[in-house]
Amino acid sequence: GESVGLHLPTLSVQEGDNSIINCAYSNSASDYFIWYKQESGKGPQFIIDIRSNMDKRQGQRVTVLLNKTVKHLSLQIAATQPGDSAVYFCAENRAGWRQLTFGSGTQLTVLP
Amino acid sequence: GAVVSQHPSRVICKSGTSVKIECRSLDFQATTMFWYRQFPKQSLMLMATSNEGSKATYEQGVEKDKFLINHASLTLSTLTVTSAHPEDSSFYICSAGGQGNTEAFFGQGTRLTVV
Repeated sequence: GESVGLHLPTLSVQEGDNSIINCAYSNSASDYFIWYKQESGKGPQFIIDIRSNMDKRQGQRVTVLLNKTVKHLSLQIAATQPGDSAVYFCAENRAGWRQLTFGSGTQLTVLP
Repeated sequence: GAVVSQHPSRVICKSGTSVKIECRSLDFQATTMFWYRQFPKQSLMLMATSNEGSKATYEQGVEKDKFLINHASLTLSTLTVTSAHPEDSSFYICSAGGQGNTEAFFGQGTRLTVV
């Protein structure tokens, strides 16, 4: 069936290094993708989004890359900080859908 | 971004009792809100879509008589867990927006513990 999934359930990086979190999606009709950050005991927090007519979008310390050919989405965090430790979810949507579909999540741990 | 407020943030209740969770959009009107449930170390699973002025739409496997949803105004949706059991213990999260190509705004979540 259609799904949005993540390659790795956990990721540990050294403080100051760059982090890359990956996400695979199987629905080629999806045209809008969002990355959310969820800290323990809190609701998801919007990080960055990208539409299918783009390959790359940059925010503050974050970059999202979209490869529609292989249905792959990634989130890059530059100079990872302890405050970046959280679970990261990708989510997909498409025109006409009423709600988002979430991936399984990746736990990012930043090591001192 | 828009603000969605959820209350309470934590609640402990006894088995057999009912618990009401509120979800408010503070600075925008939301004709549609979404309710999710999240178990530890798992993703968000959509439970139901709350529609202002009409019945909620429930996902497959979600009991509509157990999880009562009311969306009486454009800024408030409530989820009532009726006759709660320990297996209902979970993190419940609401959101507004997120329809089509739009961002969804999430509440802070409610940690429900049924003892």
